[in-house]
Amino acid sequence: QVQLVESGGGLVKPGGSLRLSCAASGFTFSDFYMSWIRQAPGKGLEWLSYISSSTTYINYADSVKGRFTISRDNAKNSLYLQMNSLRAEDTAVYYCARDEPSSGYFAAPGVYWGQGTLVTVSS
Amino acid sequence: DVVMTQSPLSLPVTPGQPASISCRSSQSLVYSDGNTYLNWFQQRPGQSPRRLIYKVSNRDSGVPDRFSGSGSGTDFTLKISRVEAEDVGVYYCMQGTHWPRTFGQGTKVEIK
Repeated sequence: QVQLVESGGGLVKPGGSLRLSCAASGFTFSDFYMSWIRQAPGKGLEWLSYISSSTTYINYADSVKGRFTISRDNAKNSLYLQMNSLRAEDTAVYYCARDEPSSGYFAAPGVYWGQGTLVTVSS
Repeated sequence: DVVMTQSPLSLPVTPGQPASISCRSSQSLVYSDGNTYLNWFQQRPGQSPRRLIYKVSNRDSGVPDRFSGSGSGTDFTLKISRVEAEDVGVYYCMQGTHWPRTFGQGTKVEIK
């Protein structure tokens, strides 16, 4: 069965960095686009970034452009999010999701999401 | 960015009664391929989001048929024909036509 497991969250000081990972299993990872989405405490969902299956296409929300970098290693069935220059407003649960062509042209978050990893930015 | 506006934001419902959630987009969600990429997600308390509906009205596998989606252009609706206790949670619409992908604010469905 499809599984997505995020890791790497934790407490970090403002201005610091963190690297999130998402381990995928149960499907051919290299066939699918992938996305990162976050949810601030008690708030709604915010799409952050996507990466195409072969890394040709990448896109970011303005709120993280220039600070966050999405990447993937198809040999390791893993998705990553490198987060630099972190701010208090980046505090959130971060989800990885498998993109589906049925959700959006090219692709968009679909059926399968991880359980999330909490990132807290505080001094 | 395309703004997705949901209403109501809170929806108390008696079990067995219907519920309806509106989602309006600031731009048309019809893409040049003819598809309208409007999705609905359910997030139960303490859980990750789960997609219920894609392309306006297509139910995902395992989604009860009491859930239905409708609409076109900029105006969409999620209906639950008879609310059950397990339907408690927050429902989000999300557009997949424009970049960046954007979500509605969420509608919290609770049992009266």
